[in-house]
Amino acid sequence: AQSVTQLGSHVSVSEGALVLLRCNYSSSVPPYLFWYVQYPNQGLQLLLKYTTGATLVKGINGFEAEFKKSETSFHLTKPSAHMSDAAEYFCAVRGSSGGSYIPTFGRGTSLIVHP
Amino acid sequence: DAMVIQNPRYQVTQFGKPVTLSCSQTLNHNVMYWYQQKSSQAPKLLFHYYDKDFNNEADTPDNFQSRRPNTSFCFLDIRSPGLGDAAMYLCATSSQGNLGETQYFGPGTRLLVL
Repeated sequence: AQSVTQLGSHVSVSEGALVLLRCNYSSSVPPYLFWYVQYPNQGLQLLLKYTTGATLVKGINGFEAEFKKSETSFHLTKPSAHMSDAAEYFCAVRGSSGGSYIPTFGRGTSLIVHP
Repeated sequence: DAMVIQNPRYQVTQFGKPVTLSCSQTLNHNVMYWYQQKSSQAPKLLFHYYDKDFNNEADTPDNFQSRRPNTSFCFLDIRSPGLGDAAMYLCATSSQGNLGETQYFGPGTRLLVL
């Protein structure tokens, strides 16, 4: 079974400050990890994903995440927050159900960006 | 542009009155998913189709049904909506359902039950 824990339901930063959103996972098999972003009243959009290979993954909008197996973590970072980054962020790990591979989502972290 | 389309974006129904939400995709993906998302919560998988094979999550209430008449369309039927079914309903697709695949989400339908 797979599970995801996102630490902090809300993260507040000032514009221009570092963004750090935390995600820890549990997986009985090598994990496939994803970060999605959701803007108000919209669906989820993929930011980045880790499958195999390089552990530092770069995504859209200047975000990146590092897979650390020893820490079972996949934290999302961005060096400088922008007002447009304010949204809900979901970490997900891919598991299996009924023969298909089904992502398990974390509860989400709401990113608040102050001017 | 290839995409996932959900109609309507907002749906208001009455307690106990059946409602159908629709999803279509131009990506020609084999797998389609329906999620329920309540406020400030993670999306909860209700069921998914791999092609025509239907997979129901164990804790999905019987009140929720789904149909996939062809590759492009998938419907979510709520037979007798209760107040607790008010939520955002998200449709998503992926190509083959493999481990490393991205899911593509529609914009969602927000359901209000009066």
